[in-house]
Amino acid sequence: EDQVTQSPEALRLQEGESSSLNCSYTVSGLRGLFWYRQDPGKGPEFLFTLYSAGEEKEKERLKATLTKKESFLHITAPKPEDSATYLCAVLSNQGGKLIFGQGTELSVKP
Amino acid sequence: DTGVSQNPRHKITKRGQNVTFRCDPISEHNRLYWYRQTLGQGPEFLTYFQNEAQLEKSRLLSDRFSAERPKGSFSTLEIQRTEQGDSAMYLCASSFGGADTQYFGPGTRLTVL
Repeated sequence: EDQVTQSPEALRLQEGESSSLNCSYTVSGLRGLFWYRQDPGKGPEFLFTLYSAGEEKEKERLKATLTKKESFLHITAPKPEDSATYLCAVLSNQGGKLIFGQGTELSVKP
Repeated sequence: DTGVSQNPRHKITKRGQNVTFRCDPISEHNRLYWYRQTLGQGPEFLTYFQNEAQLEKSRLLSDRFSAERPKGSFSTLEIQRTEQGDSAMYLCASSFGGADTQYFGPGTRLTVL
């Protein structure tokens, strides 16, 4: 059964304190791994898609990496506006549905 | 900006009542998805369409739930005889053909009293 596990569940950082979020997955043929950002009461906002091990994508202070079993979202020198829940999801070769992890709630204090 | 839109944004209903939600996807996106999200959890897949055809339904989608996409454009999700356990955020997403990125709408928050 396809499964996604994110850790930690919650992360509190000081502004400028870099860290990483983890997404471990098991899937029967990975078609793509997705990262989304979700603010309270809103829908998920697309950040990155990764397709193969070794691939990396960057956007401002965020960098996503992928291995055969997990993905990391690295946050460099975060700011308070980076506070949100970060969701990881996988898409298998068998269908169109995304399988999501439970998310990591990130809080960045000034 | 013609992103995914959902209506209503909030719905409060009494147990046993029927509710219907609407989703308008990004123009020209031929795939449309429905997910449900409860507090502190990631979204869970419910069903998806390619054009008018409903291609997959989750086991989460009981007989009380029905979704349609009659003309391959907007979609509706109906819940009959609502229960308190149906309280959640209902999210709609769309994607274009072979491109797999799903773009989400703002969601409809359902509260069943």
